Amino acid sequence: DTEVTQTPKHLVMGMTNKKSLKCEQHMGHRAMYWYKQKAKKPPELMFVYSYEKLSINESVPSRFSPECPNSSLLNLHLHALQPEDSALYLCASSQDPRWTVSYEQYFGPGTRLTVT
Amino acid sequence: DAKTTQPNSMESNEEEPVHLPCNHSTISGTDYIHWYRQLPSQGPEYVIHGLTSNVNNRMASLAIAEDRKSSTLILHRATLRDAAVYYCILRDGDVTAGNMLTFGGGTRLMVKP
Repeated sequence: DTEVTQTPKHLVMGMTNKKSLKCEQHMGHRAMYWYKQKAKKPPELMFVYSYEKLSINESVPSRFSPECPNSSLLNLHLHALQPEDSALYLCASSQDPRWTVSYEQYFGPGTRLTVT
Repeated sequence: DAKTTQPNSMESNEEEPVHLPCNHSTISGTDYIHWYRQLPSQGPEYVIHGLTSNVNNRMASLAIAEDRKSSTLILHRATLRDAAVYYCILRDGDVTAGNMLTFGGGTRLMVKP
């Protein structure tokens, strides 16, 4: 199973709402990532988790709060978002990040978020 | 991370070979060259990677210049399903640098029937 699943596929939320995006993989990968992709732009890294610990935060605003409850699950909690946060949010995973960087990343299909 | 330069778009005819170029003149000795592609309405998917030697897999071939300042992704017979944005990415081989991808603009490949 080389699949990364993301739920929901689409999400519409108001600026005062709190919602969460969920990502799951069962490949035994110990690194998980959140990327943000605006329309017609390349994906941009937001967060990296390595062995369930946050290892990289690319200066993301605190209204985005990641969580890695176990090695298979990655959540992104959203609160008080702005319309400009509307984008495709992609989750990815890769094998043990401690020994080599040649491992490929597996991406999910993304959650398309619209903030109204 | 060292930067890559790719053409914004390219066109190909179905069942013909496609050569997608990438310039990376500031590549360092420990940088791996990775290629990903993103089909419409999907997340990116890994295509191939290499360090110094040319590489082949079931999806494509990667030709790396001797000075490593450029590379070419080769799709041997383009199909309509290969229409996607292709990203050339350099990744530092130093494990302490982190295991993240920095995407550039990519090349949008259009395949004509």
